[in-house]
Formats: sequence, structure tokens, C-alpha cells
Amino acid sequence: EAGVAQSPRYKIIEKRQSVAFWCNPISGHATLYWYQQILGQGPKLLIQFQNNGVVDDSQLPKDRFSAERLKGVDSTLKIQPAKLEDSAVYLCASSLDTTGWGETQYFGPGTRLLVL
Amino acid sequence: KQEVTQIPAALSVPEGENLVLNCSFTDSAIYNLQWFRQDPGKGLTSLLLIQSSQREQTSGRLNASLDKSSGRSTLYIAASQPGDSATYLCAVTGGYNKLIFGAGTRLAVHP
Repeated sequence: EAGVAQSPRYKIIEKRQSVAFWCNPISGHATLYWYQQILGQGPKLLIQFQNNGVVDDSQLPKDRFSAERLKGVDSTLKIQPAKLEDSAVYLCASSLDTTGWGETQYFGPGTRLLVL
Repeated sequence: KQEVTQIPAALSVPEGENLVLNCSFTDSAIYNLQWFRQDPGKGLTSLLLIQSSQREQTSGRLNASLDKSSGRSTLYIAASQPGDSATYLCAVTGGYNKLIFGAGTRLAVHP
């Protein structure tokens, strides 16, 4: 079974530029999560989708971050414009369902973003 | 607001030692607790998951315990090996399957 795929793996941009990350979850997984992991910290949930609807985006900086999940499958996370403090690893995860509490989340390899 | 703390932040030990990693959380209303391993440049791998009704889980040389009432969990690694070198993250699950992570313990096991 293929795992969670993410691209690109690395990205270097200058501040105020835009960047987009892509995630393809495990086939059949209804729930998709985007996490931000700043160096030396644990991952922090940015947004959670159930199919193509948003379950939780309370920690998403909506003035510069946006995310969508097309047709309830792939997802993109965009930053526009980027700031230095956005340098982090962006992890995508998926799980079968949210309604069953404690569903295992499967993580992708992450996209490492460096903002100069 | 749930907060998860891990102690120590970093640990360096010689091969063969038995280790204890600590995790504490502020709100005992959790569904479960997980321990993850993160290798540099890679995603997270789930090691052990303890349901809120359980006290411990074991997998090979790893044993995790949970005391929900006191808000604590420990990960015990027996007979450590250089291949155990990684960052170990503790996370609790709240509503809507939301994971809240600690900052992790960076473990280095040297030969």
C-alpha cells in the first residue's frame, strides 16, 4: 500500500514570495491533516479536512496561509506572502476517518521550507 | 488548553543502556497517547499507542506506560542500540482525532 506522498521535498524561497505544497493521502482515507513543525518543536496542526470539508483550521494563519482539498483527495497548502518565521517542515498526514476517535494517522515525509 | 511537555530535551547514552523518556500533559481528558519516532528528513513513525483505558503497551524493546490521572507517560527503551538514535515525540489525541505533540526528546546512542 502506497503511503502519503508529498512534494516538493525541499523548497527555498525569499521572504514575500509565494509557495505551494502538495499532498496525496493514502487511498480511501477521508481525513487529511497539515502540520507545521518548526525546528526544535513538535508538529502543530494547521488544518484538518474531512473529505473536502474543513474540520479544524483554528491554528491556520489565514492572512497568509490557505489550503484546499480538491474532490476530497489531494490537497494543497499555500503561503502568500512567506515570512522568515514560516521556515519549517510541513507534514501531511491522513487517516481513515475522524468520527472514529483515535484513528491512526499516517505521515508523509514532509516538505522542508527555508525562507531567506 | 492541552499542553504536552517532554523531558529531557536531549539525551546521549552509550550503547546497551536502558532509557526512560518522560511525557506529561495538562488535561487528562484524552482519548489515547502515542509515541512516535522521527528520523532526520523523514516523517513520523508511530511506535506505540496506549488507549486512555490502558496502563501500558509493549513492542519489542519498547514499553510505554500511561497514568492518565497524573497526566504522565513514560517510554522505556531496553538495551539501547545506535539504530535507536532519533527524536521521540509524545502526542495525545483529543477531539476530532486531533494530535497535540510535545517538542520531543533527541536521543543519541553511541557505540
